[in-house]
Amino acid sequence: GESVGLHLPTLSVQEGDNSIINCAYSNSASDYFIWYKQESGKGPQFIIDIRSNMDKRQGQRVTVLLNKTVKHLSLQIAATQPGDSAVYFCAENESGGYQKVTFGTGTKLQVIP
Amino acid sequence: SAVISQKPSRDICQRGTSLTIQCQVDSQVTMMFWYRQQPGQSLTLIATANQGSEATYESGFVIDKFPISRPNLTFSTLTVSNMSPEDSSIYLCSVGAVNTEAFFGQGTRLTVV
Repeated sequence: GESVGLHLPTLSVQEGDNSIINCAYSNSASDYFIWYKQESGKGPQFIIDIRSNMDKRQGQRVTVLLNKTVKHLSLQIAATQPGDSAVYFCAENESGGYQKVTFGTGTKLQVIP
Repeated sequence: SAVISQKPSRDICQRGTSLTIQCQVDSQVTMMFWYRQQPGQSLTLIATANQGSEATYESGFVIDKFPISRPNLTFSTLTVSNMSPEDSSIYLCSVGAVNTEAFFGQGTRLTVV
């Protein structure tokens, strides 16, 4: 079946540096993508989303890039802080029908003080 | 946004028993979803809880093992039946709308001994 996956399971970044978390997806029909942050003991928390008619979207300290040609998503976190330490999941929303979110493998971001 | 409360937050259960997890939303929502997150892994959709009809189960999940109730637009329960240690996971309730971000409860951490 269709799947969403990540290249790196763990990413260690020095505090203050920028972080880049990558994600590959395989369903070319997906038209909505979301990044979630999950801290220990908590449910996933929405960070930022992007629709397939865009290739870049910026939020507060975060940017999501979408490359539909190679089916690739990335999440960029500027000036990474200790509070950014968490597991990050990309997810795709199947177009049409109901809201069903398919999650990627996840990347653990470790911020080194 | 939506605020989702799950109960219990954690439990330790004997094998062969069943546990019912409750999910309460602070607003009326059409669709509610139940996910399983096994240790160190991503989220897998179990089923979609539909109000007024039977839940829709994903491949690999069956109603006998994971019966779901959806008595109204703000509440749902998931029962994990005849538990075994392999059912030890975090179970998450989620709500969302078409092509928007999903909101998650804090999860129920289940340990089966």
